[in-house]
Amino acid sequence: KAGVTQTPRYLIKTRGQQVTLSCSPISGHRSVSWYQQTPGQGLQFLFEYFSETQRNKGNFPGRFSGRQFSNSRSEMNVSTLELGDSALYLCASSPGTVAEQYFGPGTRLTVT
Amino acid sequence: SQQGEEDPQALSIQEGENATMNCSYKTSINNLQWYRQNSGRGLVHLILIRSNEREKHSGRLRVTLDTSKKSSSLLITASRAADTASYFCATVPSGNTGKLIFGQGTTLQVKP
Repeated sequence: KAGVTQTPRYLIKTRGQQVTLSCSPISGHRSVSWYQQTPGQGLQFLFEYFSETQRNKGNFPGRFSGRQFSNSRSEMNVSTLELGDSALYLCASSPGTVAEQYFGPGTRLTVT
Repeated sequence: SQQGEEDPQALSIQEGENATMNCSYKTSINNLQWYRQNSGRGLVHLILIRSNEREKHSGRLRVTLDTSKKSSSLLITASRAADTASYFCATVPSGNTGKLIFGQGTTLQVKP
């Protein structure tokens, strides 16, 4: 099976802009989670979707949002970008609710 | 906030030696997982241990879990230069599906 894919891999945006990141899970996986990784805060959970419903949400401001489509593909949107949003954004899919997660290569976002 | 704390933060050993990393967490869990990350890329799942298990093996990896102490350890035996990476423990909190809480990670360097 193909692994988790994320697009784009690299992105440079300016403060105040918005950005949309995309994630395609492993075929058959219905759970998709998003994480933010920064040197200072480490890996932090953003949200999790299962069958198009947001099932879990981390402690991030409302500027961070996401959605999942009927084919399980997911998108994450960040509006009004801030310098502190510069990070590696990782998407993961899972075959079950408490099972292991399979991560994509990540999207490295730089906000200038 | 991060639930898992890992120790040591960095570890440097010679090829062939064993590497031990420890992880502590704060709340009750469904399971605990270990992941590896190479140079800021996506994470790779290594092993999952359930809250009712005490020890698990996978190839050169051995994981122990002590729920009374809320701690886990990862042992890599006969290390290789290719094991050089960051290692993270992650917990799935009880009743909180699809969400991984990561520790800060241990950076392992294996010298040839």
